[in-house]
Amino acid sequence: QSALTQPRSVSGSPGQSVTISCTGTRNDVGGYNSVAWYQHHPGEAPKLLIYDVIKWPSGVPHRFSGSKSGNTASLTISGLQAEDEADYYCCSFAGTYTWVFGGGTKLTVL
Amino acid sequence: EVHLVESGGGLVQPGGSLRLSCAASGFTFISHWMSWARQAPGKGLEWVANIKEDGSEQYYVDSVKGRFTIHRDNTKNSVSLQMNSLRAEDTAVYYCARTLLLGYQYYMDVWGKGTTVTVS
Repeated sequence: QSALTQPRSVSGSPGQSVTISCTGTRNDVGGYNSVAWYQHHPGEAPKLLIYDVIKWPSGVPHRFSGSKSGNTASLTISGLQAEDEADYYCCSFAGTYTWVFGGGTKLTVL
Repeated sequence: EVHLVESGGGLVQPGGSLRLSCAASGFTFISHWMSWARQAPGKGLEWVANIKEDGSEQYYVDSVKGRFTIHRDNTKNSVSLQMNSLRAEDTAVYYCARTLLLGYQYYMDVWGKGTTVTVS
C-alpha cells in the first residue's frame, strides 16, 4: 500500500493546459481501470473529478480529462482558470476494497 | 443535497483513544458503502477504512489494522471510527466519504469537511 507518485507541483497560465501524472504499479494503477482524481481546496471537502480513468461525474466540466498508459495515469486540465488553483490527488483501486492515493500535486495558476 | 459532517476530533496523548463520528443526510444511507480517509499535516490524502452497506464487511489500510474500527449505525445514518493505541503519525484531518458504485468500482464521491485529530 505505497502511495502513488505525483509531481509535487505544476503551474500554468490562464487558458493553458497542464497535465499531472500519477505513477503506481501493476498492483494498483496498472492492474485496474479504476483510477479517480480529486480536486482539493484546503479547508474544503475534496471533490471527485474523474473516475474509471476517463469518466466524469455529473457536473464536472470536461476541461478535466483523464487517461492512463501502463502504470501511469494522467489528469489534463485544459483552459486553465484561476479557480482551478488547488491540490489534485489521484487515487487507485488496489484490490479487495482497498484504495491508495497519490501524494498530491499543487497546481498554481500564474 | 448530500451532506456529511464529521465530529469527535481533538487532542489526545499517544496510546490514547478517540471516536470520530460522521452524520449523513440527503441520501439513502443504508444503500451505500462509507469510508474514512485522512490527511496528515503537509502530506497527501490516505484512505483509512471502509464499510459495506449492512456493516458486514470492513477493510483497513495496513497501518491502522488492529487499532482502528469502523462501524455504522443505519438507524441513525451515521458512521464512526474508533481509534485506539493512537500514535503521533495518526495526527491528521479525518474525512468521512460516501462510497458509491460508479462504473467498475466503488469511489468516494462526496466528502465531508473533516475533523482534526492531534496525537501529542
